[in-house]
Amino acid sequence: KNEVEQSPQNLTAQEGEFITINCSYSVGISALHWLQQHPGGGIVSLFMLSSGKKKHGRLIATINIQEKHSSLHITASHPRDSAVYICAVGNQFYFGTGTSLTVIP
Amino acid sequence: DAGITQSPRHKVTETGTPVTLRCHQTENHRYMYWYRQDPGHGLRLIHYSYGVKDTDKGEVSDGYSVSRSKTEDFLLTLESATSSQTSVYFCAISEQVSGRLFFGSGTQLSVL
Repeated sequence: KNEVEQSPQNLTAQEGEFITINCSYSVGISALHWLQQHPGGGIVSLFMLSSGKKKHGRLIATINIQEKHSSLHITASHPRDSAVYICAVGNQFYFGTGTSLTVIP
Repeated sequence: DAGITQSPRHKVTETGTPVTLRCHQTENHRYMYWYRQDPGHGLRLIHYSYGVKDTDKGEVSDGYSVSRSKTEDFLLTLESATSSQTSVYFCAISEQVSGRLFFGSGTQLSVL
């Protein structure tokens, strides 16, 4: 049983493309987290949100609590955005298996 | 990085030996977590702590124990390591006010 489902699992994009990564969850939550993990690297928090939308630079995160769904958008994608993006929910945190993004120059 | 340090960064050990991983934080956060990350599974909670000497089990706690005798240190012990415990282990804290998650750099553990 997966409390958190992400899609797609893998994504390849051309530099400059608009990217969307989706996260659906089945548990009740107070907040949802989007994390970024570069190959061989640590895990960095991008967003924590409980409603609506947040924006940071070229990254936008949205959440619909009623539909139990969140999206992470990357505008004007760049090769340095290549990483695994992970969605997490819950008090002790359930994690999705991640979306591996590769942006080609 | 919220002042989180994991040690060691890499460890190779033999089946049956005890192993202790350390997570150290410098900012007095109450909540600390140990996760393991394996291909196809994502991050899974092993144990967590909500204060000194206050700990609880997570989803995959079998074969692991933890201790938190000081706010700043959260130790994860594999009493008798098995090959199935080969993984990358991450420590994390959540800020009490903001709720944001911060992770240590991870420990790559190989049990041969």
